[in-house]
Amino acid sequence: AQSVTQLGSHVSVSEGALVLLRCNYSSSVPPYLFWYVQYPNQGLQLLLKYTTGATLVKGINGFEAEFKKSETSFHLTKPSAHMSDAAEYFCAVSDRRVQAGTALIFGKGTTLSVSS
Amino acid sequence: SQTIHQWPATLVQPVGSPLSLECTVEGTSNPNLYWYRQAAGRGLQLLFYSVGIGQISSEVPQNLSASRPQDRQFILSSKKLLLSDSGFYLCAWNPLGPSYTFGSGTRLTVV
Repeated sequence: AQSVTQLGSHVSVSEGALVLLRCNYSSSVPPYLFWYVQYPNQGLQLLLKYTTGATLVKGINGFEAEFKKSETSFHLTKPSAHMSDAAEYFCAVSDRRVQAGTALIFGKGTTLSVSS
Repeated sequence: SQTIHQWPATLVQPVGSPLSLECTVEGTSNPNLYWYRQAAGRGLQLLFYSVGIGQISSEVPQNLSASRPQDRQFILSSKKLLLSDSGFYLCAWNPLGPSYTFGSGTRLTVV
């Protein structure tokens, strides 16, 4: 069964500092990979996803993530944090081998705090 | 355009009362539909998914049920709410392939 591990339930950075949110997956076949952001009492917004092709994926709001098959990782980064980046971030996977009813499996989330 | 609607946005219900949350999608046909629950510190848990009318798969045994009476309608229900049913409920849909869109969620507080 697939699973997702997000290291660190809470990450704090200063404004302008590098943001690094870690995500590792467990799957016998490399899955589709996603990062979502959630602001308080709102739904999930897709930041970026990896399906195929280039392993470095660029998303919205200056975020990017790199798929590393050898490390089974899909860490999310942003070179310079902004106050508006404070939110909860979820890494998720879905099985590329199944088409119908393939649900997203989520990590437990990482809360990002940004201080001035 | 393709959109997903979820309501109500917030709900406060007493223990033992019934529940009905509704999710509808527009601009697509035969979507795969999902219900997730988000509880504090526990991430997002898949509750139910549906690949078609009347087809419901349950991922976690619980006090909840789901129904899909129409192609673009997905309903989450309970006959008697428990305190542990409190949480943030999210509906999502996807066509075939790696693309998922989420509704704005319902904050349920059982008192």
